[in-house]
Amino acid sequence: QVQLKESGPGLVKPSETLSLTCTVSGGSTSSSSYYWGWIRQPPGKGLEWIGNIYYNGNTNDNPSLKSRVTISVDTSNNQFSLRLSSVTAADTAVYYCARWGHYYDSSGYSADAFDIWGQGTMVTVSS
Amino acid sequence: DIQMTQSPSSLSASVGDRVIINCRASQSISTYLNWYQLKPGKAPKLLIYVASTLQSGVPSRFSGSGSGTDFTLTISSLQPEDFAFYYCQQSYGTSLTFGGGTKVEIK
Repeated sequence: QVQLKESGPGLVKPSETLSLTCTVSGGSTSSSSYYWGWIRQPPGKGLEWIGNIYYNGNTNDNPSLKSRVTISVDTSNNQFSLRLSSVTAADTAVYYCARWGHYYDSSGYSADAFDIWGQGTMVTVSS
Repeated sequence: DIQMTQSPSSLSASVGDRVIINCRASQSISTYLNWYQLKPGKAPKLLIYVASTLQSGVPSRFSGSGSGTDFTLTISSLQPEDFAFYYCQQSYGTSLTFGGGTKVEIK
C-alpha cells in the first residue's frame, strides 16, 4: 500500500530555512491522479494547510505563507519537498505530508481529500 | 478564505455513547467537506469525504451528514479506539482550511 514518510532536521534556527522531504513508497509522485501536499500542526493548535504540488510542478499554496513557501517534486526519486524560509518560533510544528486525491460519492458528487498521510515530523525553531 | 468552525472543542464521553461533532463553514461549500481522525504519534486518517461517504476500511459507526454550511460527524457507539482528535476540512475553495478540531476524551 502507499506510504509516505517525512524526513529532515528537527531543529532549525530562527531566520533560516526549514527543509523537509517526503518519500513515497508503494505509489508514484509522477501519477497524474494525485496531488501531494504539506500540512502542519503547531503544538496545542489545529491543522494548517501549507500547499500542494502536482507531478508537473504546478503548485497551490496557502496565501498566508505563500511568499515563504517553496514546494517541489522529484519524480525520479519519488519524493516531494518543502522549503519554508525566514522561520520564526511560530513555525514550530509537526509537519505532515499527504496525498491529495479526487473522490466521488454514489450520487456523482465529488471532492478532494488528503487520503494518505505520513506520521509527521516535529520541527522546532530555536536558537 | 473560508473559515471552518467546529463545536465542541472538546467533549467527554463513555464507551457506547453516541457522539456528535459539528462543523460550520463561513459560506456555502456544497458537500466539499472531509473529516479526519488524529491520534498522537500516528498518521492522520481520512474518515469521511464528500460530507457523508465513508472512506474504505472505516467502521460503519462513523457517519457524516450535511451540505451548504452545516455538517456533522456522528459516532453511533463510541469505542475505546475512537478517543482522538477530529477535524473537518473544506475543499471548496482553492485555499484549503480546517476546523479548529474536537478532542474526544474518556469520561
